[in-house]
Amino acid sequence: GDSVTQMEGPVTLSEEAFLTINCTYTATGYPSLFWYVQYPGEGLQLLLKATKADDKGSNKGFEATYRKETTSFHLEKGSVQVSDSAVYFCALGGGKLIFGQGTELSVKP
Amino acid sequence: DTGVSQDPRHKITKRGQNVTFRCDPISEHNRLYWYRQTLGQGPEFLTYFQNEAQLEKSRLLSDRFSAERPKGSFSTLEIQRTEQGDSAMYLCASSPGSERSEKLFFGSGTQLSVL
Repeated sequence: GDSVTQMEGPVTLSEEAFLTINCTYTATGYPSLFWYVQYPGEGLQLLLKATKADDKGSNKGFEATYRKETTSFHLEKGSVQVSDSAVYFCALGGGKLIFGQGTELSVKP
Repeated sequence: DTGVSQDPRHKITKRGQNVTFRCDPISEHNRLYWYRQTLGQGPEFLTYFQNEAQLEKSRLLSDRFSAERPKGSFSTLEIQRTEQGDSAMYLCASSPGSERSEKLFFGSGTQLSVL
């Protein structure tokens, strides 16, 4: 069945460091790909999405490109802030979503 | 847009008891989803509704679980004869239902602890 695999956390970075969180997927067909974020004490919220191959989703300085050839959707940000500390979930689907296990990011000042 | 609300926020129960959770989606959202999340894992899909119709149920949803959305607005998730393995965060999400790849709006969840 369809599945999503994320790099394990926690990831600890200093402020202004470059961030990459790896996400690979297995799916039949051509699903949409998403990154959701969960800030401490809050519900999951959509960060960005891409609906077809080679699409790039972007929001709040985060980017991810839908790579069909490598079945990946890695999340990147050029310069992280303390306020980016959260748990990040990669997901695939359309409507019903299949989530990865989440990657906790901690950014230190 | 008042967001998706879930009630209660926390529920502690003894093994064998029945529990019921409520979800109020964003007004006029046609689709409503239930997920379960355990510590250190991503949310797992349980079931979803298009208006009042329950269109899909996961194999994770045993016979002890039942969900309803009687008037196409709020939804309830009931777990009968709870087991310790049911301890988890139960998340509700809603979406307008107009696009295939639309954004889901999540509630803050109900944390269930079965003693």
